[in-house]
Amino acid sequence: DVKVTQSSRYLVKRTGEKVFLECVQDMDHENMFWYRQDPGLGLRLIYFSYDVKMKEKGDIPEGYSVSREKKERFSLILESASTNQTSMYLCASSPGWGGISYEQYFGPGTRLTVT
Amino acid sequence: RKEVEQDPGPFNVPEGATVAFNCTYSNSASQSFFWYRQDCRKEPKLLMSVYSSGNEDGRFTAQLNRASQYISLLIRDSKLSDSATYLCVAPRGGADGLTFGKGTHLIIQP
Repeated sequence: DVKVTQSSRYLVKRTGEKVFLECVQDMDHENMFWYRQDPGLGLRLIYFSYDVKMKEKGDIPEGYSVSREKKERFSLILESASTNQTSMYLCASSPGWGGISYEQYFGPGTRLTVT
Repeated sequence: RKEVEQDPGPFNVPEGATVAFNCTYSNSASQSFFWYRQDCRKEPKLLMSVYSSGNEDGRFTAQLNRASQYISLLIRDSKLSDSATYLCVAPRGGADGLTFGKGTHLIIQP
């Protein structure tokens, strides 16, 4: 069974804080993804990674950065949190090289509130 | 044209009925498609894959119409537990993973 875990289910941070969201997968998947999900907007891709130390911008990368130092771990960083980054953040992983469109497996999500 | 479009619903359907909804996609080169199910405040989970003309799994049937660029999901003998949001998923352009529709909200009523 594929398992994707995220470091926190709920997180409350203050405006301007640096925020780290961690994601770990145990299936040796090459690809990992970070999304945010907001009512009426669906899932929007922030960043993804095909391999260790590789990263690609998604549709809404502004205000975010990522780190992938190990294959199983993909971190999302909010350099200076703002209230418009209050959202549900979902991490996903998928097998296959080069981001080929295999099905993705999601973590349980982190509901981040920035006050 | 948006990459993946779905009717957001909600679809209110009596228990035991058959319900179907469609999703259109814009990338004509897409080869593989998926339906995901998402329960309230939960993560999306893969329901079905659609790689060719269609796929059937128990009460669920997914079909692909390449000429008209849509995929459909049919649920027969609907159960209360089928109430969820169903996300249509298609490949993004190039090799950049998947793009998700905004979802169709289904409510099965007793």
